[in-house]
Amino acid sequence: NAGVTQTPKFQVLKTGQSMTLQCAQDMNHEYMSWYRQDPGMGLRLIHYSVGAGITDQGEVPNGYNVSRSTTEDFPLRLLSAAPSQTSVYFCASSYWGVRGRTGDGANVLTFGAGSRLTVL
Amino acid sequence: KNEVEQSPQNLTAQEGEFITINCSYSVGISALHWLQQHPGGGIVSLFMLSSGKKKHGRLIATINIQEKHSSLHITASHPRDSAVYICAVRSNTGNQFYFGTGTSLTVIP
Repeated sequence: NAGVTQTPKFQVLKTGQSMTLQCAQDMNHEYMSWYRQDPGMGLRLIHYSVGAGITDQGEVPNGYNVSRSTTEDFPLRLLSAAPSQTSVYFCASSYWGVRGRTGDGANVLTFGAGSRLTVL
Repeated sequence: KNEVEQSPQNLTAQEGEFITINCSYSVGISALHWLQQHPGGGIVSLFMLSSGKKKHGRLIATINIQEKHSSLHITASHPRDSAVYICAVRSNTGNQFYFGTGTSLTVIP
């Protein structure tokens, strides 16, 4: 089924541990992004990518790394987890620019199911 | 600065009531999304608008590009409509998405 696959759904870490949240999409979307969602804060952009080999920082990038070696995959790495990184994380993807695409499909925005991370 | 503002922040309604959630934005956009998130759940796109009005069942979304404003209406609200509704816009310059902080809706039977 076409969509965004995000794993794991739940994770508990100890302070200082590292981990990777996986995100994969099969819709040939150029744009992939990671957000964290905290109570009362809405969705905040961590990192994003507009294509393989291209990544950039969002609003809250500190403590997170990303890479984009393929169009399909956009993993988010926590290098040394801190309690402040306790949150729900969402991956989302979309086309980047219209590039001849017409209609609603050009602006579709698809989210993964979310990953709830707790750092003790 | 918040590129997207939603109101109200919280909303409680009796089953059957007509509900309106508002979204104002400050950037030029190529599209506006209304997203729904049930408690503990994922985020799904209800509507994508670039102009005019769309209707899916009991849900209606409108957008006024000149006034930079959109509304989400729910007719004959039902407890299963209880969720957080998020307005998101895609900038027509940088292609970035900007999100409102969401409206938490509770529909009481």
